Amino acid sequence: DAMVIQNPRYQVTQFGKPVTLSCSQTLNHNVMYWYQQKSSQAPKLLFHYYDKDFNNEADTPDNFQSRRPNTSFCFLDIRSPGLGDAAMYLCATSKRAQETQYFGPGTRLLVL
Amino acid sequence: GDSVTQMEGPVTLSEEAFLTINCTYTATGYPSLFWYVQYPGEGLQLLLKATKADDKGSNKGFEATYRKETTSFHLEKGSVQVSDSAVYFCALSDPMDSNYQLIWGAGTKLIIKP
Repeated sequence: DAMVIQNPRYQVTQFGKPVTLSCSQTLNHNVMYWYQQKSSQAPKLLFHYYDKDFNNEADTPDNFQSRRPNTSFCFLDIRSPGLGDAAMYLCATSKRAQETQYFGPGTRLLVL
Repeated sequence: GDSVTQMEGPVTLSEEAFLTINCTYTATGYPSLFWYVQYPGEGLQLLLKATKADDKGSNKGFEATYRKETTSFHLEKGSVQVSDSAVYFCALSDPMDSNYQLIWGAGTKLIIKP
């Protein structure tokens, strides 16, 4: 089945220790998104890629970076995680802008 | 700007009860409307969607009708099960908005008791 895959499902890191979360998709969608979600609140968009074009939301902290080396993969890098970065991180894809977004299972990040 | 308002939770029902979760929106264009569901510890799953006025989305016994006149997209199910316990998010996508963001409601936690 075509799908959005996130690894790992759970990630524990130490305060200030860089961490990378990964997302892959078999849907061949053009757009990939990264969201942060805390405590079953609405997801907050961090950034998205339309093909190779990177778009950062204005209020996304500089501590968060992203890479998309090819159509299928996208990475979220947190350069120096703080306690406030503990959250669920969700990857999503859509064929084109403003079309239905399909989400992965998420990675829950714990910062010690 | 665009916005989505959904009823606050938690909503607690007994099994086999009728469910309605209200969702209303404001948008500058003609948005597409979505319901996503999030089971405990999991990601978001698309439950149903509607792309134009009077469309009815349906899936797994859930239904929602796109009502332009009342700017609403209420989620309904005739007989809920314990397995329906989850958080439900209403969202919209506005083609008039150059932003790529989905506009989300705050989410409604649904608890179904046996």
